[in-house]
Amino acid sequence: NAGVTQTPKFQVLKTGQSMTLQCAQDMNHEYMSWYRQDPGMGLRLIHYSVGAGITDQGEVPNGYNVSRSTTEDFPLRLLSAAPSQTSVYFCASMRTENSPLHFGNGTRLTVT
Amino acid sequence: GIQVEQSPPDLILQEGANSTLRCNFSDSVNNLQWFHQNPWGQLINLFYIPSGTKQNGRLSATTVATERYSLLYISSSQTTDSGVYFCAVAQGGSEKLVFGKGTKLTVNP
Repeated sequence: NAGVTQTPKFQVLKTGQSMTLQCAQDMNHEYMSWYRQDPGMGLRLIHYSVGAGITDQGEVPNGYNVSRSTTEDFPLRLLSAAPSQTSVYFCASMRTENSPLHFGNGTRLTVT
Repeated sequence: GIQVEQSPPDLILQEGANSTLRCNFSDSVNNLQWFHQNPWGQLINLFYIPSGTKQNGRLSATTVATERYSLLYISSSQTTDSGVYFCAVAQGGSEKLVFGKGTKLTVNP
């Protein structure tokens, strides 16, 4: 199993541009989520999904959209990038709400 | 929402020393996990431990859910244990894992 795969690893955007961060898992996990990590802030939940077709907001959802059309994929869309979205983004998955959470390797995003 | 506090924020050890990291949470939980973020930024799940005690090699964890805290023990620390240790919790009926701000551990040779 590849586990949780995120692409790209690095990305630089200009203010106002849009992009999609990709996340895929091959463990047949129902639960998937996106976190952002900023210095001194720990990890904050952006959006999550408990299964295909079901998504919900986390702590910091503004400026981001998600969809879950398949069990495997959970892309994160930035609609109009802002410098405040400069961060490291992690995708994660777990089998059920009461099982270990597994992370991808992260995407480092810089918005200028 | 639930609050998660980790202590100490920073810890510096010599190789071979033991350490205890603490995670306090403000409400009852049905999910508690410990993670290690290595210096390259990778997040590794160490324990899923909503209650009780688990051990994995030199690492062990104990959660006392009724008193709202969890402890991570690292024995005979090695330089490869360096990094940031995070605790994350979720309340009953919620899939939202809330993370603490972490404990940064530095193990010197």
